[in-house]
Amino acid sequence: SYEVTQPPSVSVSPGQTATITCSGDKLGDKNTCWYQQKPGRSPVLVIYEDDKRPSGIPERFSGSNSGNTATLTISETQAMDEADYHCQAWDTTSWVFGGGTKLTVL
Amino acid sequence: QVQLQESGPGLVKPSETLSLTCTVSGYSLSSHYYWGWIRQPPGKGLEWIGNIYHSGSTYYNPSLKSRVTVSVDMSKNQFSLKLSSVTAADTAVYYCARASLEYLSFDSWGQGTLVTVSS
Repeated sequence: SYEVTQPPSVSVSPGQTATITCSGDKLGDKNTCWYQQKPGRSPVLVIYEDDKRPSGIPERFSGSNSGNTATLTISETQAMDEADYHCQAWDTTSWVFGGGTKLTVL
Repeated sequence: QVQLQESGPGLVKPSETLSLTCTVSGYSLSSHYYWGWIRQPPGKGLEWIGNIYHSGSTYYNPSLKSRVTVSVDMSKNQFSLKLSSVTAADTAVYYCARASLEYLSFDSWGQGTLVTVSS
């Protein structure tokens, strides 16, 4: 079955750019999305179809997907962005999640 | 605005069947969306369990397929999850969610419910 892989943790300083990756075989050929999850809360969709932002998601969140890697980029990272981020791909009738990345804003 | 709410027992005994229901308000299950279940063991990542379309078509995680049934009750605007032969490894927060037919992402989630498998 298809798998996608994320780094367990990423650290960033306030105001800097955070980059979180999601890797999988030919992932660039698949629809990929990203969720933000804060402690004790349900996941929130922040990027869909590789690079689209749902209504209400700040412009500092952006996404890309090419080759074997999808990337979530958070520009001018704020303390409120500290959370777990999960990538998700779709592969022939299966929805697949990565293991999640804990973003720490130091 | 769509709202989803999970309900069901918070404690299930090993080898028994876990049963949860998701009640959807503000949106019809007959609309063009998938309706699904995702779980998250304590301290771990998200795991997709299965989705259903209003036509009754179902899609299951291959690793859970032999134990999972997702069904829909259009008259109550609810969909349900049954997971059989549970073990401690099935202890998790269980979420119901709505997935876009076009973009295949989950755009609305319930608040989640913790199910513990223990005797």
